[in-house]
Amino acid sequence: GAGVSQSPSNKVTEKGKDVELRCDPISGHTALYWYRQRLGQGLEFLIYFQGNSAPDKSGLPSDRFSAERTGESVSTLTIQRTQQEDSAVYLCASSVDGLVGPQHFGDGTRLSIL
Amino acid sequence: AQTVTQSQPEMSVQEAETVTLSCTYDTSESDYYLFWYKQPPSRQMILVIRQEAYKQQNATENRFSVNFQKAAKSFSLKISDSQLGDAAMYFCAYRPTSGTYKYIFGTGTRLKVLA
Repeated sequence: GAGVSQSPSNKVTEKGKDVELRCDPISGHTALYWYRQRLGQGLEFLIYFQGNSAPDKSGLPSDRFSAERTGESVSTLTIQRTQQEDSAVYLCASSVDGLVGPQHFGDGTRLSIL
Repeated sequence: AQTVTQSQPEMSVQEAETVTLSCTYDTSESDYYLFWYKQPPSRQMILVIRQEAYKQQNATENRFSVNFQKAAKSFSLKISDSQLGDAAMYFCAYRPTSGTYKYIFGTGTRLKVLA
């Protein structure tokens, strides 16, 4: 596709369930970022992938959060045993590289934990 | 640690007028990038303008320009001839050029454009 694609657009789930969010970056983009945006807040960095290098996981808030990316393709963000404070919009961005290329964002997944 | 501060939670501007959004940051790095992103209600973040710290000249993109004051660590965004479509959340962001590619975002300024 022409842009970054995220799915689902919206996800409602019960507390304690696991959720998986998907990000399909722009083809050829080696860098991929995940952010969390709570209501009325700025973007909170979660994790960064650059090519085949080890990801920067320094923003993951707890061990319930994990993310994977195979090569330069799709990434999935998994949240286990969801809590109400996990409710937020999860944004994915990709860039042609992590150096000078600007980030291109997807529309995000709005996650609501009941 | 690097931080980005946007002290104006909300701003209003009359259509066709000019508005300036403030951003300050803190870093010990000498080289870095600064960005302004726009987030309309549709949620998608859109890059408005980018400034490289080693460049003295202020970046401009059509009606959007920045006032980059490196010594003061200030990076304000000026929107000229404001249009209804400019209404959105605006986020200032910082990223060093080396060491880490992690972006640091401010908390945003909501811009309202009045007809």
